[in-house]
Amino acid sequence: GAVVSQHPSWVICKSGTSVKIECRSLDFQATTMFWYRQFPKQSLMLMATSNEGSKATYEQGVEKDKFLINHASLTLSTLTVTSAHPEDSSFYICSASGSASRTDTQYFGPGTRLTVL
Amino acid sequence: GQQLNQSPQSMFIQEGEDVSMNCTSSSIFNTWLWYKQDPGEGPVLLIALYKAGELTSNGRLTAQFGITRKDSFLNISASIPSDVGIYFCAGRAGGTSYGKLTFGQGTILTVHP
Repeated sequence: GAVVSQHPSWVICKSGTSVKIECRSLDFQATTMFWYRQFPKQSLMLMATSNEGSKATYEQGVEKDKFLINHASLTLSTLTVTSAHPEDSSFYICSASGSASRTDTQYFGPGTRLTVL
Repeated sequence: GQQLNQSPQSMFIQEGEDVSMNCTSSSIFNTWLWYKQDPGEGPVLLIALYKAGELTSNGRLTAQFGITRKDSFLNISASIPSDVGIYFCAGRAGGTSYGKLTFGQGTILTVHP
């Protein structure tokens, strides 16, 4: 089956620093990757859609200068939380799609827990 | 953003009981997906539905794509303790796998031994 990894699985940082989260598709090429944010006991909220080699498309209300997304290859997308603040603490999850086939689907990574002190 | 209406929000059941949860939407979807999420993990796909009226099973799980394309349900038969977790429905309006998913609020399932 399709496997998506994330690194790191958890990170603690000081307020004002930047944090980079990696999302990799391990056994397939992902033209499109998605980044979600999830608060405790809540649903997943889509932050942005990332296509390889082009700029990410951000959802309304998501600051693109705050959450920098780079999708430089077909197996790697990165999310950088810049100048992190405590309110950015959350569970960040990526997903990846391998093909345009309507019967394909998104495969999710295990998530990254970010805590900003 | 847009969300699906998923119910119930939580369920407390005894081991061996059957479980049913559903999602409804004001919009038509071309794909319905059901995911399970364990604490601190990403969602894992349980069942994918691609055609209106489609009924699909995966072991003790059965899901259906509503005829109107605005709803879906998931049934779990003979629940066991490892069924504990949060179950999410997700709908996709587009015709390709690159389309955005809209998620329900989730159903928290607790199974008492």
